[in-house]
Amino acid sequence: AQSVTQLDSQVPVFEEAPVELRCNYSSSVSVYLFWYVQYPNQGLQLLLKYLSGSTLVKGINGFEAEFNKSQTSFHLRKPSVHISDTAEYFCAVSESQAGTALIFGKGTTLSVSS
Amino acid sequence: NAGVTQTPKFRVLKTGQSMTLLCAQDMNHEYMYWYRQDPGMGLRLIHYSVGEGTTAKGEVPDGYNVSRLKKQNFLLGLESAAPSQTSVYFCASSYSAGTVVLDIQYFGAGTRLSVL
Repeated sequence: AQSVTQLDSQVPVFEEAPVELRCNYSSSVSVYLFWYVQYPNQGLQLLLKYLSGSTLVKGINGFEAEFNKSQTSFHLRKPSVHISDTAEYFCAVSESQAGTALIFGKGTTLSVSS
Repeated sequence: NAGVTQTPKFRVLKTGQSMTLLCAQDMNHEYMYWYRQDPGMGLRLIHYSVGEGTTAKGEVPDGYNVSRLKKQNFLLGLESAAPSQTSVYFCASSYSAGTVVLDIQYFGAGTRLSVL
């Protein structure tokens, strides 16, 4: 069975600073990895995904993440954050097969202040 | 594009009442899922469906039932609501075609349920 650990429950940063949200996973099989963002009172929106190929994946809103198989990590990064990036971020994993449900981490709240 | 639509958006129930949450998707997706979101817990899978007429249990299925009579709809039922079911419920759908896995899940906006 897979599991996902988001190492920080809250990350406060100042506007224009870089940020890294950490995610580690465990699985005995090949996985797909995802980052979702949830703005207040909204549903989840896919930020980026790793299915195969290049380990550095780029997503929307200037975010990127790097899949590190040896460290079983999929950390999310952005070089310069904006106030509008304030949201909750979820890392998720699924088995590499069709229709497998996602296993989510508990979320990281990113708070960007001026 | 409507995507994934959940109704209702908000609901308050008394303990013991029943209700049904409706999820509809217009993307012709095969797979549909119901999650609940609780503070500090992330999202946990309640039930899911891999096609019309099929359902399966997820991580936290107790107290819920589901049905997938039509491909585009996935219903979540609470037969006798309990305060522990106070949560935000999210529906999601995804599509896969043959060996090409496009297992990207699209989420609805959520249903906020309070059980008093």
